[in-house]
Amino acid sequence: GAVVSQHPSWVICKSGTSVKIECRSLDFQATTMFWYRQFPKQSLMLMATSNEGSKATYEQGVEKDKFLINHASLTLSTLTVTSAHPEDSSFYICSARKGVLGSTDTQYFGPGTRLTVL
Amino acid sequence: TQLLEQSPQFLSIQEGENLTVYCNSSSVFSSLQWYRQEPGEGPVLLVTVVTGGEVKKLKRLTFQFGDARKDSSLHITAAQPGDTGLYLCAGSDSNYQLIWGAGTKLIIKP
Repeated sequence: GAVVSQHPSWVICKSGTSVKIECRSLDFQATTMFWYRQFPKQSLMLMATSNEGSKATYEQGVEKDKFLINHASLTLSTLTVTSAHPEDSSFYICSARKGVLGSTDTQYFGPGTRLTVL
Repeated sequence: TQLLEQSPQFLSIQEGENLTVYCNSSSVFSSLQWYRQEPGEGPVLLVTVVTGGEVKKLKRLTFQFGDARKDSSLHITAAQPGDTGLYLCAGSDSNYQLIWGAGTKLIIKP
């Protein structure tokens, strides 16, 4: 199997606070993990690509100082939303790539985290 | 910038009918994946197609990858209410990143 978990599944926080979301690959090692944001009824928007042991690569328009990504091990990546504001409210989804680079590029997704900033 | 156009964006049909969802691009993909997502959950991988012209079947779902690896289709036969969900296609580009379609919201009415 290829199971990816996320924690928490939902979080409500006050404006100005920071929130950390964890993404874990439970039964495989993932050298690369991805963080997505999804707005209602829309497709996924890639925020950043996280490689184990190196700095994340952020997509254009995504503030790296606001969305801190750490990929400390082959099974864990974290996304911290710093100084959250209501406009950061969204559904955040992580994925982990299983397989050797150059082989079929299959990503397995976590169940998502619903963030609501009051 | 590679784009993947997915259509239709919304489809509501009666149980028992057939349907096809399309994903088209002017660019070549090394592989293409189809996902299904339900509200409040992450996408679940349905299939990965790699070879041009490849056809894969998953029960009542048939997936096809175009000969030139630029397009793909998902055909559902005799749709059931349990097929309701958001269907997403994603192509893997030369940097092994996924290029996403806009999604197809499918509703199957009993």
